[in-house]
Amino acid sequence: AQSVTQPDIHITVSEGASLELRCNYSYGATPYLFWYVQSPGQGLQLLLKYFSGDTLVQGIKGFEAEFKRSQSSFNLRKPSVHWSDAAEYFCAVGRNTPLVFGKGTRLSVIA
Amino acid sequence: GAGVSQSPSNKVTEKGKDVELRCDPISGHTALYWYRQSLGQGLEFLIYFQGNSAPDKSGLPSDRFSAERTGGSVSTLTIQRTQQEDSAVYLCASSLGAAFGNEQFFGPGTRLTVL
Repeated sequence: AQSVTQPDIHITVSEGASLELRCNYSYGATPYLFWYVQSPGQGLQLLLKYFSGDTLVQGIKGFEAEFKRSQSSFNLRKPSVHWSDAAEYFCAVGRNTPLVFGKGTRLSVIA
Repeated sequence: GAGVSQSPSNKVTEKGKDVELRCDPISGHTALYWYRQSLGQGLEFLIYFQGNSAPDKSGLPSDRFSAERTGGSVSTLTIQRTQQEDSAVYLCASSLGAAFGNEQFFGPGTRLTVL
Protein backbone atom coordinates (compact mmCIF):
# COMPACT_ATOMS: atom_id res chain seq x y z
CA ALA A 1 0.00 0.00 0.00
CA GLN A 2 1.09 3.53 -0.66
CA SER A 3 2.28 5.54 2.30
CA VAL A 4 4.18 8.68 3.12
CA THR A 5 6.20 9.27 6.27
CA GLN A 6 7.28 12.66 7.48
CA PRO A 7 9.39 11.82 10.51
CA ASP A 8 9.49 15.31 11.97
CA ILE A 9 6.24 16.59 13.44
CA HIS A 10 7.65 20.01 14.34
CA ILE A 11 10.87 21.78 13.41
CA THR A 12 12.13 25.14 14.63
CA VAL A 13 14.81 27.01 12.71
CA SER A 14 16.32 30.45 12.97
CA GLU A 15 15.63 32.98 10.26
CA GLY A 16 18.39 32.77 7.68
CA ALA A 17 19.32 29.21 8.55
CA SER A 18 19.03 26.35 6.10
CA LEU A 19 16.14 23.92 6.18
CA GLU A 20 15.59 20.30 5.27
CA LEU A 21 12.24 18.55 5.71
CA ARG A 22 12.26 14.82 5.34
CA CYS A 23 9.86 12.69 3.37
CA ASN A 24 9.97 8.94 2.82
CA TYR A 25 7.43 7.07 0.75
CA SER A 26 6.29 3.60 -0.13
CA TYR A 27 4.81 3.13 -3.59
CA GLY A 28 4.53 0.20 -5.97
CA ALA A 29 5.85 1.99 -9.03
CA THR A 30 7.81 5.11 -9.79
CA PRO A 31 5.66 7.72 -8.15
CA TYR A 32 4.81 11.30 -8.76
CA LEU A 33 5.93 13.28 -5.71
CA PHE A 34 4.68 16.57 -4.39
CA TRP A 35 5.33 19.07 -1.64
CA TYR A 36 2.52 21.35 -0.49
CA VAL A 37 2.54 24.17 2.03
CA GLN A 38 -0.37 25.23 4.21
CA SER A 39 -0.28 28.58 5.94
CA PRO A 40 -2.54 29.08 8.97
CA GLY A 41 -6.19 29.19 7.96
CA GLN A 42 -5.33 28.66 4.31
CA GLY A 43 -5.68 25.88 1.81
CA LEU A 44 -2.72 23.96 0.48
CA GLN A 45 -0.42 25.45 -2.14
CA LEU A 46 1.84 23.39 -4.38
CA LEU A 47 5.54 24.12 -3.82
CA LEU A 48 7.00 21.69 -6.32
CA LYS A 49 6.52 18.31 -7.92
CA TYR A 50 8.59 15.50 -9.41
CA PHE A 51 7.40 13.39 -12.32
CA SER A 52 10.57 12.20 -14.07
CA GLY A 53 13.93 13.37 -15.31
CA ASP A 54 16.27 15.51 -13.26
CA THR A 55 16.02 14.33 -9.68
CA LEU A 56 16.58 17.82 -8.28
CA VAL A 57 13.51 19.95 -8.78
CA GLN A 58 13.06 23.63 -8.15
CA GLY A 59 9.89 25.10 -6.79
CA ILE A 60 8.39 28.37 -5.75
CA LYS A 61 9.59 30.54 -2.86
CA GLY A 62 13.17 29.31 -3.22
CA PHE A 63 12.43 25.69 -2.30
CA GLU A 64 13.96 22.64 -3.93
CA ALA A 65 13.63 18.90 -3.43
CA GLU A 66 15.68 15.91 -4.41
CA PHE A 67 14.26 12.54 -5.39
CA LYS A 68 16.43 9.65 -4.25
CA ARG A 69 15.02 6.39 -5.54
CA SER A 70 17.46 4.21 -3.58
CA GLN A 71 16.31 5.81 -0.33
CA SER A 72 12.66 6.26 -1.30
CA SER A 73 13.01 9.85 -0.23
CA PHE A 74 11.97 13.26 -1.48
CA ASN A 75 13.39 15.76 0.98
CA LEU A 76 12.55 19.45 0.77
CA ARG A 77 15.29 22.04 1.22
CA LYS A 78 15.74 25.77 1.40
CA PRO A 79 19.13 27.44 1.86
CA SER A 80 17.89 30.42 3.87
CA VAL A 81 14.58 30.42 5.70
CA HIS A 82 12.41 33.53 5.99
CA TRP A 83 9.95 34.21 8.76
CA SER A 84 7.13 33.96 6.22
CA ASP A 85 8.04 30.30 5.63
CA ALA A 86 6.46 29.36 8.97
CA ALA A 87 3.68 26.96 7.97
CA GLU A 88 2.74 23.29 7.73
CA TYR A 89 4.43 21.29 4.97
CA PHE A 90 2.97 18.17 3.43
CA CYS A 91 4.65 15.60 1.22
CA ALA A 92 2.39 13.57 -1.09
CA VAL A 93 2.74 10.65 -3.47
CA GLY A 94 0.56 9.40 -6.27
CA ARG A 95 0.39 8.66 -9.94
CA ASN A 96 -2.66 6.80 -11.12
CA THR A 97 -4.29 6.80 -7.73
CA PRO A 98 -5.49 9.49 -5.37
CA LEU A 99 -2.69 11.34 -3.64
CA VAL A 100 -1.53 9.98 -0.31
CA PHE A 101 -0.34 12.70 2.04
CA GLY A 102 2.02 12.56 4.95
CA LYS A 103 0.90 13.88 8.32
CA GLY A 104 2.85 17.07 7.83
CA THR A 105 5.75 18.90 9.41
CA ARG A 106 5.09 22.16 11.19
CA LEU A 107 7.84 24.70 10.68
CA SER A 108 8.43 27.47 13.18
CA VAL A 109 10.87 30.27 12.42
CA ILE A 110 12.54 32.25 15.19
CA ALA A 111 14.46 35.50 14.96
CA GLY B 1 -8.62 34.80 -11.14
CA ALA B 2 -11.05 33.03 -8.85
CA GLY B 3 -9.75 30.06 -6.96
CA VAL B 4 -11.55 27.16 -5.34
CA SER B 5 -14.17 28.39 -2.91
CA GLN B 6 -15.87 26.49 -0.12
CA SER B 7 -18.86 27.28 2.03
CA PRO B 8 -19.51 27.63 4.82
CA SER B 9 -16.07 28.43 6.20
CA ASN B 10 -17.18 27.23 9.63
CA LYS B 11 -20.02 24.98 10.65
CA VAL B 12 -21.03 24.04 14.15
CA THR B 13 -23.70 21.39 14.46
CA GLU B 14 -25.19 19.07 17.01
CA LYS B 15 -24.57 15.36 17.02
CA GLY B 16 -27.11 13.58 14.88
CA LYS B 17 -27.82 16.47 12.53
CA ASP B 18 -27.10 16.40 8.80
CA VAL B 19 -24.70 18.88 7.20
CA GLU B 20 -23.92 19.92 3.64
CA LEU B 21 -20.59 21.31 2.59
CA ARG B 22 -20.21 23.06 -0.73
CA CYS B 23 -17.28 23.38 -3.11
CA ASP B 24 -17.00 25.62 -6.15
CA PRO B 25 -14.01 24.53 -8.24
CA ILE B 26 -11.98 26.64 -10.60
CA SER B 27 -13.87 27.16 -13.83
CA GLY B 28 -12.85 24.59 -16.43
CA HIS B 29 -11.38 22.12 -13.96
CA THR B 30 -12.90 18.74 -14.68
CA ALA B 31 -11.55 16.89 -11.66
CA LEU B 32 -12.66 17.64 -8.11
CA TYR B 33 -11.42 16.10 -4.87
CA TRP B 34 -12.59 16.02 -1.27
CA TYR B 35 -10.23 15.50 1.66
CA ARG B 36 -10.62 15.50 5.40
CA GLN B 37 -7.93 17.02 7.60
CA SER B 38 -8.00 16.05 11.24
CA LEU B 39 -5.63 17.45 13.82
CA GLY B 40 -2.27 15.73 13.51
CA GLN B 41 -3.54 13.28 10.90
CA GLY B 42 -2.63 14.90 7.62
CA LEU B 43 -5.05 14.76 4.73
CA GLU B 44 -7.36 11.83 4.24
CA PHE B 45 -8.70 11.30 0.73
CA LEU B 46 -12.48 10.95 0.64
CA ILE B 47 -13.68 10.97 -2.95
CA TYR B 48 -12.96 12.43 -6.35
CA PHE B 49 -15.06 13.34 -9.36
CA GLN B 50 -14.20 13.32 -13.01
CA GLY B 51 -16.93 15.41 -14.50
CA ASN B 52 -20.06 14.35 -12.64
CA SER B 53 -18.89 10.79 -12.08
CA ALA B 54 -17.18 9.50 -8.97
CA PRO B 55 -15.00 6.55 -10.05
CA ASP B 56 -13.56 6.02 -6.59
CA LYS B 57 -15.70 6.23 -3.47
CA SER B 58 -13.49 3.98 -1.40
CA GLY B 59 -12.26 6.79 0.81
CA LEU B 60 -15.63 7.69 2.25
CA PRO B 61 -15.40 6.65 5.92
CA SER B 62 -18.95 5.37 6.24
CA ASP B 63 -22.31 5.27 4.49
CA ARG B 64 -23.23 8.46 6.35
CA PHE B 65 -20.98 10.29 3.90
CA SER B 66 -22.05 11.02 0.35
CA ALA B 67 -21.11 13.48 -2.34
CA GLU B 68 -22.47 14.65 -5.62
CA ARG B 69 -21.44 16.93 -8.40
CA THR B 70 -23.79 18.51 -10.87
CA GLY B 71 -23.11 20.20 -14.17
CA GLY B 72 -19.45 19.31 -13.89
CA SER B 73 -19.00 22.15 -11.47
CA VAL B 74 -20.28 22.57 -7.92
CA SER B 75 -19.97 19.66 -5.53
CA THR B 76 -21.72 18.98 -2.26
CA LEU B 77 -20.43 16.71 0.48
CA THR B 78 -23.20 15.55 2.79
CA ILE B 79 -22.71 14.01 6.19
CA GLN B 80 -25.79 12.46 7.72
CA ARG B 81 -26.34 11.88 11.43
CA THR B 82 -23.08 13.63 12.31
CA GLN B 83 -20.86 12.21 15.03
CA GLN B 84 -18.22 13.95 17.10
CA GLU B 85 -15.48 12.09 15.25
CA ASP B 86 -16.60 13.85 12.06
CA SER B 87 -15.19 17.10 13.44
CA ALA B 88 -12.40 18.14 11.08
CA VAL B 89 -11.52 20.52 8.29
CA TYR B 90 -12.93 19.40 4.98
CA LEU B 91 -10.85 20.48 2.02
CA CYS B 92 -11.84 20.57 -1.61
CA ALA B 93 -9.44 20.71 -4.55
CA SER B 94 -9.80 20.82 -8.29
CA SER B 95 -7.51 20.15 -11.23
CA LEU B 96 -7.43 20.09 -14.99
CA GLY B 97 -7.99 16.67 -16.45
CA ALA B 98 -8.26 13.34 -14.75
CA ALA B 99 -4.65 12.43 -14.11
CA PHE B 100 -3.64 12.57 -10.50
CA GLY B 101 -0.36 14.09 -11.54
CA ASN B 102 -2.04 17.34 -12.38
CA GLU B 103 -1.63 20.11 -9.85
CA GLN B 104 -4.50 20.25 -7.43
CA PHE B 105 -5.69 23.68 -6.35
CA PHE B 106 -7.13 23.70 -2.86
CA GLY B 107 -9.88 25.73 -1.30
CA PRO B 108 -9.58 27.22 2.21
CA GLY B 109 -11.66 24.45 3.74
CA THR B 110 -14.75 24.13 5.90
CA ARG B 111 -14.14 23.64 9.60
CA LEU B 112 -16.83 21.32 10.95
CA THR B 113 -17.41 21.06 14.67
CA VAL B 114 -19.88 18.48 15.95
CA LEU B 115 -20.99 19.09 19.52
